[in-house]
Amino acid sequence: QVQLVQSGAEMKKPGASVKVSCKASGYTFSDYGFSWVRQAPGQGLEWLGWISTYNQNTHYAQKFQGRVTMTTDTSTSTVYMEVRSLTSDDTAIYYCARDFVGGWPFDHWGQGTLVTVSS
Amino acid sequence: DIQMTQFPSSLSASVGDRVTITCRASQGIRNDLGWYQQKPGKAPKRLIYAASTLQSGVPSRFSGSGSGTEFTLTISSLQPEDFATYYCLQHNSYPRTFGQGTKVEIK
Repeated sequence: QVQLVQSGAEMKKPGASVKVSCKASGYTFSDYGFSWVRQAPGQGLEWLGWISTYNQNTHYAQKFQGRVTMTTDTSTSTVYMEVRSLTSDDTAIYYCARDFVGGWPFDHWGQGTLVTVSS
Repeated sequence: DIQMTQFPSSLSASVGDRVTITCRASQGIRNDLGWYQQKPGKAPKRLIYAASTLQSGVPSRFSGSGSGTEFTLTISSLQPEDFATYYCLQHNSYPRTFGQGTKVEIK
């Protein structure tokens, strides 16, 4: 069965960077891209960007352009998202989700990774 | 960017009530829309895809309709386990955009 397992909670200081991973299993990794979504405490869902696991093409939300980088490692079926120059506004749960063109994406989600930014 | 306007932002309802949530897209998105349920501390769970197709394993009291710019999620008879927050999501184009969410609370 499809599983997306994310890395554990992180606590960072303002100005630091964080890299969250999402390991996929149960299907052919390169058949599906991934989106990353975050949810600040008590807030709604916010899309950060997408990466193709086939050719590493990316689309980033304009708000995060230049501060977020998504990468993949096909040898381990893992996608990564790095956020730099963290502020307290980046405190949120970060989710990965399968996202692909020509189908019905966001069918499977990771369990979420809490990133806390505090001095 | 496509804006998704979801309403109401919250509602109070009783077990057995019929509940309707609406999402309006700022431009046509065909049927490239899904509905998601989120409970506290959990990842979103897809209920509906292609605007009106029920996800396998989801109870038939959930239904979706619409195409183009106007979409609805209906719960025909609200059950205790349905109290949660619901989101629509368009995947017609980038950036992907979510509705603001509807919190369904117990009356």
